[in-house]
Amino acid sequence: GAGVSQSPRYKVAKRGQDVALRCDPISGHVSLFWYQQALGQGPEFLTYFQNEAQLDKSGLPSDRFFAERPEGSVSTLKIQRTQQEDSAVYLCASSLPGAYNEQFFGPGTRLTVL
Amino acid sequence: RKEVEQDPGPFNVPEGATVAFNCTYSNSASQSFFWYRQDCRKEPKLLMSVYSSGNEDGRFTAQLNRASQYISLLIRDSKLSDSATYLCVLNTWGGGNKLTFGTGTQLKVEL
Repeated sequence: GAGVSQSPRYKVAKRGQDVALRCDPISGHVSLFWYQQALGQGPEFLTYFQNEAQLDKSGLPSDRFFAERPEGSVSTLKIQRTQQEDSAVYLCASSLPGAYNEQFFGPGTRLTVL
Repeated sequence: RKEVEQDPGPFNVPEGATVAFNCTYSNSASQSFFWYRQDCRKEPKLLMSVYSSGNEDGRFTAQLNRASQYISLLIRDSKLSDSATYLCVLNTWGGGNKLTFGTGTQLKVEL
């Protein structure tokens, strides 16, 4: 079956541009997560949705980062006024509800800010 | 101090060798533990969960020591295809099932 998909796979932005990254979770997965992975590091948590509700956004690094999931399915991570330090791979994961359920990751969007 | 600490490696081992990775964590409230595998420029994938009683899946054995806050992964008879980065991961439920990752340990299996 279809896994988590993300688009675009690669994005190059000039510093100061806004970008929008899309995530399509596995059908039926009510939990959705965004992670940021810098080069040579492990993924770091950004934010978490259960259906359309954003229950935890403690990992968002600044108010330039905004995520939404208006209909409880597709999610968009938006970064305003991109900076060079935003360059990273942005990973989306989805899971069934409840504790300890496996999170399935998408292929990520590699963002490069020039 | 990072919440999850791993030796980044790389570990270069010959095919057929046994290799062990270790990981320590600082949050004693952590409730579940995993090893994920990440191939170069790919997404992380769950390798196995880690239990206090220890668990084995083929050539892979994982162990958790809650008292020492220490997790290990043992790979026996390593294959070329085992070359990847191994991420130590924990989950503290109450935080919405978010995962906390270590930096990862890079393994290179050579002929």
